[in-house]
Order: sequence, then C-alpha cells, then structure tokens
Amino acid sequence: EIVLTQSPGTLSLSPGERATLSCRASQSVSSNYLAWYQQKHGQAPRLLIYGASSRATGIPDRFSGSGSGTDFTLTISRLEPEDFAVYYCQQYDGSPRTFGQGTKVEIK
Amino acid sequence: QVQLQESGPGLVKPSQTLSLTCTVSGGSISSGSYFWSWIRQPAGKGLEWVGRIYSTGSTNYNPSLKSRVTMSVDTSKNQFSLKLSSVTAADTAVYYCARDTYYHDSGSYYSDYWGQGTLVTVSS
Repeated sequence: EIVLTQSPGTLSLSPGERATLSCRASQSVSSNYLAWYQQKHGQAPRLLIYGASSRATGIPDRFSGSGSGTDFTLTISRLEPEDFAVYYCQQYDGSPRTFGQGTKVEIK
Repeated sequence: QVQLQESGPGLVKPSQTLSLTCTVSGGSISSGSYFWSWIRQPAGKGLEWVGRIYSTGSTNYNPSLKSRVTMSVDTSKNQFSLKLSSVTAADTAVYYCARDTYYHDSGSYYSDYWGQGTLVTVSS
C-alpha cells in the first residue's frame, strides 16, 4: 500500500498569505494519479486538483498543484477566508487508493 | 446537477452488519464512465477508501476490509449499497458515497461528487 505523508500537520496563516502544502509518497506515484481535496468542517471533501496539477471544474486559479514521483505540492497563492479548511492528498496509482492524513490550514 | 444521498441506520450493534444505501439523482447510475465509491472517516480523523462498484456490478475493495465488505448496485432504483459485516467500534465513522468520474486528460478516475455523509455508530 502506498502511504502518503502530508506536512505540516497544521499551517497557521493570515488571509492574503501564500500556503504551501506537501504530500510525500512512500513509493513513486504517477503524476496522473494524484489528487487534492478540500474539506470544511461538517462537509464532504471537494475535489480541487486531479492529475497532480489540473484544477477541477469551478476551482479558482489561486489553487495550483505540482510535483512528480514521490513529492507533490498544493499551493494556495493568496488565502481567502473560505480557504481555511483541511486538505487531503489522495493517490489513485496503487490499490488500495490511499489518502494522506491531512493538513489543516487555520487562521493565524 | 448530480446529487448523492446516503441512508441507513445510524446505530449498529457490535458483530452485526452495517448496511447503507446511496441514492443518486440528477443522472443515471448506468450512464457514462463512472464508478461509485464508499469512503469513510472516523470522527476527527482522516479519510479511508472502502471500495467502489461499477454499474455492471464489478467491484474493487480495500484489502484491509475485503473479507467483510459487499457492494451492490440497483440500476432500476439508481442506488448502490454497502454492507460491512462483523462490525466493531473501529467501524464507527461518517460514511460517504461518491461518484468517480473518468478524466480523460489524466487517464484516471476521481471522486468529483460526494454525498453529505452519514454517521454510523457501532455500539451496544
């Protein structure tokens, strides 16, 4: 099973700042098969990024994904108040599909 | 707009079978390149993929749960279901159903529509 480790566990930032979230895989993941999800409290996750770098429908361009192999990054260029949430990476390369443990982006 | 809605008992006794149904509206469960997934999340914890089913009944399960999981699909009702047997307190979680769509530019499936989730508690 591919283990995804996200860092940091919590990111404390102010609105307008840049957020950089990391996702490291225990073995190489095809870039095509890495996604990022946003989850707000009490809500279902929402697909943000698929294929490591493609934005899902309706996702603002302040969200961007990058990376390859075992290291992937989600960047939020300028945090808006609605962006404070938990973010998960997920790989679809190996079975079973696995998620990272999440990074919480909180208001500083 | 596709919508998914989970339903089922919120309380299940240990050793019994958890049964949930996901009703899909706004689109046919049989149309298009879709799988239909279950994902769960214990309170305050991360997400765990349980498995997925295609409209033909073809399934993929998480190996850690495979011996206890059964998924089925009822195309006439536009529903798919999850059964998890021999439950323990460790199976207490919010259970989400989701639609997995094939993204041609990526060559893979991603969960792009989710239900709101339903809390299932395992307790006597």
